[in-house]
Amino acid sequence: AQKVTQAQTEISVVEKEDVTLDCVYETRDTTYYLFWYKQPPSGELVFLIRRNSFDEQNEISGRYSWNFQKSTSSFNFTITASQVVDSAVYFCALSEAGSGYSTLTFGKGTMLLVSP
Amino acid sequence: DVKVTQSSRYLVKRTGEKVFLECVQDMDHENMFWYRQDPGLGLRLIYFSYDVKMKEKGDIPEGYSVSREKKERFSLILESASTNQTSMYLCASSFPTGEQEQYFGPGTRLTVT
Repeated sequence: AQKVTQAQTEISVVEKEDVTLDCVYETRDTTYYLFWYKQPPSGELVFLIRRNSFDEQNEISGRYSWNFQKSTSSFNFTITASQVVDSAVYFCALSEAGSGYSTLTFGKGTMLLVSP
Repeated sequence: DVKVTQSSRYLVKRTGEKVFLECVQDMDHENMFWYRQDPGLGLRLIYFSYDVKMKEKGDIPEGYSVSREKKERFSLILESASTNQTSMYLCASSFPTGEQEQYFGPGTRLTVT
């Protein structure tokens, strides 16, 4: 069965620090998709990025970057020069193509607190 | 813009009451999902639906049922609410294939007293 582990329950940083959120996954499928979502204090989950298992190219979007490594089954998320607005709970999730549906398995989330 | 709406942000019910949580999406998505979110446990899938009148159990379906009579609407029903169902409930929708991201509603914080 698929599993997503976010070992960091809570991270506290000071503004402008860089921070990396770890995500390790388990799956038997060869085709799968990985996601990151952000949940700000308002509660609504916001989609950040999707990666498929055949695309290990790292991605950068502004201050956000993602490092996907199949060899270590990891899909880590780095925020550069963190800001107070980055304070949120971040979830990593996995979808298996073989499941037949687009169901997601979520990690337990990492709460990021950025202090001014 | 995709919009997923949930009928209430906050709800307080008594033990034993029948509770309906409603979710509506406006993007013609085939799939709809209900999750509950609890501290330290992340999001857990209760039920999902891949078509009108079709439903599948998720990881924690006990104590819940669902209804999907129209494509845009997916209801979660607590037949007899209990205090251990106090939680944040999140609805989501997506297109059917695995690479499609899910779009989430704002959540309903349900308290059962």
